Amino acid sequence: DAGVIQSPRHEVTEMGQEVTLRCKPISGHNSLFWYRQTMMRGLELLIYFNNNVPIDDSGMPEDRFSAKMPNASFSTLKIQPSEPRDSAVYFCASRIRGTAYEQYFGPGTRLTVT
Amino acid sequence: AQSVTQPDIHITVSEGASLELRCNYSYGATPYLFWYVQSPGQGLQLLLKYFSGDTLVQGIKGFEAEFKRSQSSFNLRKPSVHWSDAAEYFCAVGAGTDKLIFGTGTRLQVFP
Repeated sequence: DAGVIQSPRHEVTEMGQEVTLRCKPISGHNSLFWYRQTMMRGLELLIYFNNNVPIDDSGMPEDRFSAKMPNASFSTLKIQPSEPRDSAVYFCASRIRGTAYEQYFGPGTRLTVT
Repeated sequence: AQSVTQPDIHITVSEGASLELRCNYSYGATPYLFWYVQSPGQGLQLLLKYFSGDTLVQGIKGFEAEFKRSQSSFNLRKPSVHWSDAAEYFCAVGAGTDKLIFGTGTRLQVFP
């Protein structure tokens, strides 16, 4: 299995631009999670989906952030407009529901907003 | 509320020495516990997990962890550390929902 796939791996953008991060979960997994990792705040859960439906978005920092999962094999995290404080590594993880919470992480997208 | 504490932010050991990374959790029911490892520039990789049964669990890369309910701990151990084990290690607890609660991580440095 290819594992969780994220693209791009690195993104550098200017403040005010729209940023879209992409994730392909492991085939057969029906839960998907978006995390953000920074030195200051550690690993934060932003949002997660079960069967393509958003279940908990309480970790989304503000309205500039949005996430979608149009089908079982694809999800996006969008930031519009981006700000320098959004600079972080964004991880996507997936799992099979009902297997006691084991999550598989992608390699992450390192976002730098200048 | 569920929480995970990793009291050691940074640990340094010599190659070949034994290792123990501490993890304490707070959770009212029987927890699901995990250890993940993150190498520089990489995502988190599952090392091992505890759901039930034998309290000593074996994982990949020669790691093991012991669940001690009386101490609310799930410490990670390795008898002989290799230079390639230098990484950040995260303990996590299944929070009774779909979510995992992660600790703040312990950075392991290995000297030759």
